[in-house]
Amino acid sequence: DGGITQSPKYLFRKEGQNVTLSCEQNLNHDAMYWYRQDPGQGLRLIYYSQIVNDFQKGDIAEGYSVSREKKESFPLTVTSAQKNPTAFYLCASSMASEFLFEQYFGPGTRLTVT
Amino acid sequence: GDSVTQMEGPVTLSEEAFLTINCTYTATGYPSLFWYVQYPGEGLQLLLKATKADDKGSNKGFEATYRKETTSFHLEKGSVQVSDSAVYFCALKDRGSTLGRLYFGRGTQLTVWP
Repeated sequence: DGGITQSPKYLFRKEGQNVTLSCEQNLNHDAMYWYRQDPGQGLRLIYYSQIVNDFQKGDIAEGYSVSREKKESFPLTVTSAQKNPTAFYLCASSMASEFLFEQYFGPGTRLTVT
Repeated sequence: GDSVTQMEGPVTLSEEAFLTINCTYTATGYPSLFWYVQYPGEGLQLLLKATKADDKGSNKGFEATYRKETTSFHLEKGSVQVSDSAVYFCALKDRGSTLGRLYFGRGTQLTVWP
């Protein structure tokens, strides 16, 4: 089955630690995205990548970092510089085609930092 | 810049009631419009989309018509079911942009009672 996997589903960390969230897709999509979801705020874009070895900051990139070394993988690191890291994180991917465009989402990772 | 405004929730309905969730947008280009649905604890799923003015997207009894003159894309369903309880997100993609990012509204929580 084609799709996006995110692991783990729940993640707990102590304040001051970096943590990396995994995102893998087997849809052969060129573009991948990371969103953060907080209650009542919708989805906010953290980073996105349209091709391997290239990525752009979204609206709330501070305190986060990404890499895109392989087409199917787009891991997100939440660094200790992120002031409010507790949130639900969603990864997505899409084709580059304008008319076939659709973003597919993974099941999400809920990160709790205490 | 591009943005989406959707009606605030929560929306509570009885089973078989008529549903409308309002969505209006602002775009610098000529956008494609989407409705996504999120069930508890899950990622987002595409519900329907429309890529040009007067297009009607439809799926699972839900419909939305792309109205360029009113910059709107309201979601409707004639008879809701308990299983429709979820959070609904309106989103746009600027077709004039080569970047694949989506702009999301804040989401509307729908609860349907039997």
